[in-house]
Amino acid sequence: GEEVAQTPKHLVRGEGQKAKLYCAPIKGHSYVFWYQQVLKNEFKFLISFQNENVFDETGMPKERFSAKCLPNSPCSLEIQATKLEDSAVYFCASSRQGFYGYTFGSGTRLTVV
Amino acid sequence: SQQGEEDPQALSIQEGENATMNCSYKTSINNLQWYRQNSGRGLVHLILIRSNEREKHSGRLRVTLDTSKKSSSLLITASRAADTASYFCATAQGGSEKLVFGKGTKLTVNP
Repeated sequence: GEEVAQTPKHLVRGEGQKAKLYCAPIKGHSYVFWYQQVLKNEFKFLISFQNENVFDETGMPKERFSAKCLPNSPCSLEIQATKLEDSAVYFCASSRQGFYGYTFGSGTRLTVV
Repeated sequence: SQQGEEDPQALSIQEGENATMNCSYKTSINNLQWYRQNSGRGLVHLILIRSNEREKHSGRLRVTLDTSKKSSSLLITASRAADTASYFCATAQGGSEKLVFGKGTKLTVNP
């Protein structure tokens, strides 16, 4: 069936190193979303894309986080100079236009040591 | 900012019993959605209810929405051990496609 594919499943980085996470949304879905989940609780919204364009980036820590969704490539979320507090599971989701439910990927668990 | 607030935070029941979870929110919404998260996995979409709907059913799930009280409830009937998971409500507001999630209810169904 259709799924949102996230890679890698696990990522360990030393403090100060760069981390890059990837997400392949479902074909035909116009929107891509990134969320951060810390300690299996709240899902913090980071950024959304409508096709290749940033739609809402109100949740992004501007200084160290960046994201892209380029044509014919997986979307990516990059964290420069990781900090211990960036340790979390990062989920990507995609949806069709018009307020349908999201389809989530399985997440990337980032551990910063 | 936090929008949906689920209660209870944790619920433990026996197989076959019904489970009811509640969600309250603060601003006007376009729709409210419920998701399930099994341990270590991503969220699975369960059901969406639009702001002009009051009740919706899907299999053993029943969702109600009261926009005057800014609240929703999720009822799982005849629960099974496989229903053990965390359940989150999420709201979509205004013209934004962004969903704002609550902190979830952790449901344990004992065999």
